[in-house]
Amino acid sequence: QSVLTQPPSASGTPGQRVTISCSGSSSNIGNNDVYWYQQLPEAAPKLLIYKNNQRPSGVPDRFSGYKSGTSASLAISGLRSEDEADYYCAAWDDILTGRVLFGGGTKLAVL
Amino acid sequence: QVQLQESGPGLVKPSQTLSLTCTVSGGSINSGGYYWSWIRQHPVKGLEWIGYIYHSGSTYYNPSLRSRVTISFDMSKNQFSLRLISVTVADTAVYYCARGSTTVIWFDPWGQGTLVTVSS
Repeated sequence: QSVLTQPPSASGTPGQRVTISCSGSSSNIGNNDVYWYQQLPEAAPKLLIYKNNQRPSGVPDRFSGYKSGTSASLAISGLRSEDEADYYCAAWDDILTGRVLFGGGTKLAVL
Repeated sequence: QVQLQESGPGLVKPSQTLSLTCTVSGGSINSGGYYWSWIRQHPVKGLEWIGYIYHSGSTYYNPSLRSRVTISFDMSKNQFSLRLISVTVADTAVYYCARGSTTVIWFDPWGQGTLVTVSS
């Protein structure tokens, strides 16, 4: 079971705004930046959000990241069919000597 | 534009060693400031970070895998490699290589991934 907790699924209709949560603790999200990755079907994950709320070039501004305390969230506005994918949060965890942690992933369905 | 491509056997027997190579094109693996990582994805979704090798050659591994993992460079071929010993069926996964930029966790780009099945 992942230390970063995400809901297994989420859904929305085209044009809607959906949010995906990621819950951690003081040793990871509470003390480090959060990253989000999008994994389209049959593809490798792709960086979507870095350092909590920054978008790499080429990522539409429909995607937004937020962090507060030991939780983070990804918001997708103006939902489109091509947004149907798995979404993963990630953060460094300071416990013991440290490691990268991924959330369990959220499968987003566009109905 | 930097691209990464994994290669290696798709089937490994239990107790044997898994060996994969990541070939980097469009840029030098010797460029400063990058963390060259391996990440795997188990059949039921979960992503697990394995470790990285820094451009200086220093390595860092996930504590849960540290006793079985080695990541190394082959600078002459612009490649880095993963070696995982004493594999079990729990090591069956899609293995990705990725470049960490600025920070370890900033994985961009990723390779396409290669499925490794551990089975007798």
